[in-house]
Amino acid sequence: QQQVKQSPQSLIVQKGGISIINCAYENTAFDYFPWYQQFPGKGPALLIAIRPDVSEKKEGRFTISFNKSAKQFSLHIMDSQPGDSATYFCAAMGYKYIFGTGTRLKVLA
Amino acid sequence: EPEVTQTPSHQVTQMGQEVILRCVPISNHLYFYWYRQILGQKVEFLVSFYNNEISEKSEIFDDQFSVERPDGSNFTLKIRSTKLEDSAMYFCASSEPQLALTYEQYFGPGTRLTVT
Repeated sequence: QQQVKQSPQSLIVQKGGISIINCAYENTAFDYFPWYQQFPGKGPALLIAIRPDVSEKKEGRFTISFNKSAKQFSLHIMDSQPGDSATYFCAAMGYKYIFGTGTRLKVLA
Repeated sequence: EPEVTQTPSHQVTQMGQEVILRCVPISNHLYFYWYRQILGQKVEFLVSFYNNEISEKSEIFDDQFSVERPDGSNFTLKIRSTKLEDSAMYFCASSEPQLALTYEQYFGPGTRLTVT
């Protein structure tokens, strides 16, 4: 019940394409869902986050889609760029952060 | 832009030794956290700290671990007797009082702990 399942494990996208990463959770007590971006040797950096009272949030090229009934949320990166190549973690917050297993994104130039 | 800093960046220690990992959270933040990330795996919550006491801890945070805010700026994680399986990247994070309600946490660059 405390798990957050993330897929895919790795993703290769052409420059300009759309990157889509999915997460699913079980615990309905979670009430905050952030996405973190991590470059090698660096700490995770907050990218975008959503609460379950909205179905979508967009910030620049990054969009979170949230499906409360399905207990799923996803990150869409529009017009993906080589600089977006990083590992992306979804997370869910109840009384603590539960992180997904991560998706290694590579955007080809 | 203010950031969370951590020292050392890499710590090598022998099994059974004590290590102290240090963090300087963002100056006006009052909530502090430690996480660990075993190589290639997900980030795992260890402990949260507020008002000079532990507010939450995970099952990983056993009696070998302790946290302290020894002064107004540092936040430390002590591992009393390191084991091989403690080898990981340890991240410190902090959040502002008001933002704690939105759970926005800012992470440091991490300390890589290698236990030999």
